[in-house]
Amino acid sequence: GAGVSQTPSNKVTEKGKYVELRCDPISGHTALYWYRQSLGQGPEFLIYFQGTGAADDSGLPNDRFFAVRPEGSVSTLKIQRTERGDSAVYLCASSSRTGGTGELFFGEGSRLTVL
Amino acid sequence: AQRVTQPEKLLSVFKGAPVELKCNYSYSGSPELFWYVQYSRQRLQLLLRHISRESIKGFTADLNKGETSFHLKKPFAQEEDSAMYYCALKAANTGNQFYFGTGTSLTVIP
Repeated sequence: GAGVSQTPSNKVTEKGKYVELRCDPISGHTALYWYRQSLGQGPEFLIYFQGTGAADDSGLPNDRFFAVRPEGSVSTLKIQRTERGDSAVYLCASSSRTGGTGELFFGEGSRLTVL
Repeated sequence: AQRVTQPEKLLSVFKGAPVELKCNYSYSGSPELFWYVQYSRQRLQLLLRHISRESIKGFTADLNKGETSFHLKKPFAQEEDSAMYYCALKAANTGNQFYFGTGTSLTVIP
């Protein structure tokens, strides 16, 4: 596609439920990042993939959060046993070269609301 | 630890006035710094990066390692500059993560 695509754009769920958020990066981009943005805050780093592997998952807040990128393209962020504090906009970004200038191209985000 | 600080959450200037959005960073390695912008109802996008030493839409930013700052400046603000601005640091020494500040909301008053 022309840009980074994220689905769903909005997700409302109940506390304790399981949620999956999908990111389709720009074709050919090897690096993929997930961020979480709470109201009034900047994007908070969660995890970064280089190809299929998670190069750095140090930003995942706890073991309820998990992300995969099995074929080195689409990525899914998975949140188990959601809590109200998980409510935020989840942003995905991709980049063509991690060793280069490293411009991040962002999606429009998935807004998660946990009731 | 890596940290990016943007001390001003809100900034208002009149059209034609100079504008400066402050950014300070803390990083133990050699920093790569960026400014990202989010216009209303648009996605976050790159404005400029320090290694390019470029002027984009009249904005410039100089990396000052002594003061650990990367302030964004424009001599004459325009209404279309109203947006949310985020300073970001790329932690190239520890895995290429990008860390963002909390952002500054700029409003240019006509």
